[in-house]
Amino acid sequence: QMQLQESGSGLVKPSQTLSLTCAVSGGSMDTGGFPWSWIRQPPGKGLECLGYIYPSGSTYYNPSLLGRVTMSKDGSKNHLSLKLNSVTAADTAVYYCARATMVHAFDIWGQGTMVTVSS
Amino acid sequence: DIQMTQSPSSLSASVGDGVTITCRASQSIVSYVNWYQQKPGKAPTLLIYSASSLQSGVPLRFRGSGSGTDFTLTIDSLQPEDFATYYCQQTFRTPHTFGLGTKLEF
Repeated sequence: QMQLQESGSGLVKPSQTLSLTCAVSGGSMDTGGFPWSWIRQPPGKGLECLGYIYPSGSTYYNPSLLGRVTMSKDGSKNHLSLKLNSVTAADTAVYYCARATMVHAFDIWGQGTMVTVSS
Repeated sequence: DIQMTQSPSSLSASVGDGVTITCRASQSIVSYVNWYQQKPGKAPTLLIYSASSLQSGVPLRFRGSGSGTDFTLTIDSLQPEDFATYYCQQTFRTPHTFGLGTKLEF
């Protein structure tokens, strides 16, 4: 059974870059042609889809992020990466990686990792 | 962006009750709606996709319906493990947006 595990910096200073990795286990991330995504949830609030990375490596990013985001994947290492630069307190959230189905439903999620932006 | 308006924002119920949560889209999204359940401190889990298709492993007491702009998630005969927060999500047009959630409480 496929599992996802996020890791990365839990505390980031304002204006710096948030970097997270999502390790995929229990199967190859390149099997099945599924898109992959990052979703975040500020404390006590709702969910926001940050974008997708597709099997081809092409990406879609949520315009709300104003061009600050980069998603990548490494099939040989079976992991995804997220970088969000110029962070502010508004980027404080639990960040999840997730697999999307062909209708963009998120059927497998990581457990999430809390990132706090603070000086 | 397409806005997803969920109602109610919170709902009190008891074990054995049936409940319905609604989600209204700001424009027609055909049947591109998914429903998730989230328990405190945990990641969401997929319940329903494409408005009415039950995700594998999800109990049959969960039902989704609707098309166009109005969608419902119905839970028949609530079980103790069903008390959680529920979110709808549209995947008709990017950015794919979520509703603000419905907290189902005792």
